[in-house]
Amino acid sequence: DIVMTQSPDSLAVSLGERATINCKSSQSVLYSSNNKNYLAWYQQKPGQPPKLLIYWASTRESGVPDRFSGSGSGTDFTLTISSLQAEDVAVYYCHQYYTTPLTFGPGTKVDIK
Amino acid sequence: QITLKESGPTLVKPTQTLTLTCTFSGFSLSTSGVGVGWIRQPPGKALEWLALIYWNDDKRYSPSLKSRLTITKDTSKNQVVLTMTNMDPVDTATYYCAHRSITMVQGVQSHNWFDPWGQGTLVTVSS
Repeated sequence: DIVMTQSPDSLAVSLGERATINCKSSQSVLYSSNNKNYLAWYQQKPGQPPKLLIYWASTRESGVPDRFSGSGSGTDFTLTISSLQAEDVAVYYCHQYYTTPLTFGPGTKVDIK
Repeated sequence: QITLKESGPTLVKPTQTLTLTCTFSGFSLSTSGVGVGWIRQPPGKALEWLALIYWNDDKRYSPSLKSRLTITKDTSKNQVVLTMTNMDPVDTATYYCAHRSITMVQGVQSHNWFDPWGQGTLVTVSS
């Protein structure tokens, strides 16, 4: 199984400041045949299902604010919120869809400082 | 617009079998490249993938739960059903179904991410 880890477990950031979440996979999720990283990021607010933010590690889903960006390749990935807004308070999960069993990271909780 | 909605019992007793139904709209499970998956989330914990079914009846299961899971589809009703046997209190969770697709990406057949998700249904296992 590909194990996904995230750091930190939680972080508190002032409004307007940058939030950075890291995700690491236990093996590469980069598929050499198409040079795509099979890595997605989700945002989950209390009482709601996960919402897709980023796929292919860095492609923003339609309608997602451009303050959200994804980067990384192979086994190391980052989700950045460039200027934290109050509505960004949530838990963020990374997810590898490279192979089954499909796996998710443990989540990173983002709060306002 | 794709929507999915989970339904089933909110409370089951230990050792019982859970049957959940995902009813969807906006796509058909008879269309090539379409799939539906189940994912669960214990209260306050992370997401765990359970099972997948595709338009061609290809099925995939979490290895750790495979012996307890069965996923089926009813294309005419736009439904996917998940059964989980021998329920235990540790199976208490919100159960989600979600859409998944297979597309060609730069000449390669790619199994994609889950999107969108249903609202989820909380199942409590208790005597």
